[in-house]
Amino acid sequence: DAGVIQSPRHEVTEMGQEVTLRCKPISGHDYLFWYRQTMMRGLELLIYFNNNVPIDDSGMPEDRFSAKMPNASFSTLKIQPSEPRDSAVYFCASSLFGQWVQNIQYFGAGTRLSVL
Amino acid sequence: ELKVEQNPLFLSMQEGKNYTIYCNYSTTSDRLYWYRQDPGKSLESLFVLLSNGAVKQEGRLMASLDTKARLSTLHITAAVHDLSATYFCAVDSNYGGSQGNLIFGKGTKLSVKP
Repeated sequence: DAGVIQSPRHEVTEMGQEVTLRCKPISGHDYLFWYRQTMMRGLELLIYFNNNVPIDDSGMPEDRFSAKMPNASFSTLKIQPSEPRDSAVYFCASSLFGQWVQNIQYFGAGTRLSVL
Repeated sequence: ELKVEQNPLFLSMQEGKNYTIYCNYSTTSDRLYWYRQDPGKSLESLFVLLSNGAVKQEGRLMASLDTKARLSTLHITAAVHDLSATYFCAVDSNYGGSQGNLIFGKGTKLSVKP
């Protein structure tokens, strides 16, 4: 398997523009997570899905952020409108959960977002 | 609410020295994970500890878990520059009702100097 695939790897946009980040989880995994990482705040969990259903979105900073998982192989994180304080590295991770599996989260390479 | 605390958050070591990173967590869990993040890179799984007393070793790194003390340690033996990275511990939040999620510590930034 190619692992968790995120696109784009880098995104530079201007304040007020819409930004869409994409993630393809590892095939067969039933959990998908979106994280944000900054120097100031560290690694933050934004939202996670189980079998394409959002389970906990309490980490989503505000209504400008939204996430969807239309099917088991694709998820998006959208920021509209974007602001400079949204500049960060956004990671997607996926895992297979169960009593007899290790529940390791596998991370994608991340999307480095810069909002000017 | 499950909380995970690591210490120290920053660690500067000399090559050849030994040191230990500590990871404490606040509620019952029997699964603990260690991740490594190189600068500008993603997080990579290092160890999975699945029961009390579990010990895993790879190279100069050894991780252990004491579920009764709610403590995991990551011991570094004879550090080398290649070990410079940020190390995260994470705990399975299964017992907290949020099945499937991991709660991450803030990370320990390790710098190994010659």
